[in-house]
Amino acid sequence: DTGVSQNPRHKITKRGQNVTFRCDPISEHNRLYWYRQTLGQGPEFLTYFQNEAQLEKSRLLSDRFSAERPKGSFSTLEIQRTEQGDSAMYLCASSQTRGQKETQYFGPGTRLLVL
Amino acid sequence: GEDVEQSLFLSVREGDSSVINCTYTDSSSTYLYWYKQEPGAGLQLLTYIFSNMDMKQDQRLTVLLNKKDKHLSLRIADTQTGDSAIYFCAESIARGDTGRRALTFGSGTRLQVQP
Repeated sequence: DTGVSQNPRHKITKRGQNVTFRCDPISEHNRLYWYRQTLGQGPEFLTYFQNEAQLEKSRLLSDRFSAERPKGSFSTLEIQRTEQGDSAMYLCASSQTRGQKETQYFGPGTRLLVL
Repeated sequence: GEDVEQSLFLSVREGDSSVINCTYTDSSSTYLYWYKQEPGAGLQLLTYIFSNMDMKQDQRLTVLLNKKDKHLSLRIADTQTGDSAIYFCAESIARGDTGRRALTFGSGTRLQVQP
């Protein structure tokens, strides 16, 4: 299967702990996005990479959040000192641009529950 | 500003057509997308339409775009119980110097198909 994969699929943690999620995009895709989805809402943009460069971060991304894409392939999203409000589904999407067209393909997500 | 709105819920009988509606506010949207999300899963791309088109058909799916009214609809012909899911409308706009085309999603429409 050459789709976007994410690990772990589920994570339960206690408030104050650090967590790290991984995303493996489709191999030839140069763009990678992280989104967060809370219950009953659509996904909201968090951050964006083009190759290994993190080009933009949303205002939703507090200082406790950090993302990397060290070799332009997989990406990690770390949340430090987790809070209950961080509980959500974290979705990764990858894409390859062709002119104005860019189609994002999503992974299955990592569901985080902070107790 | 950016805002995508959808009705929350739609119930149809198996075999009927479903029509899911979406309105958006940003006239500079280049592509508009429909994604499907089943419980606990990531988002599956269903179809998309470029902003200079007014209709696109893909098997049982028909997308209609009224750019003047900023209205997008998804029609599913011969709806099946397997179509029960949440459907998200999303718009893609190039932003800033980074070329980011993060998607702005609606809150989703839950489609319930009754046998």
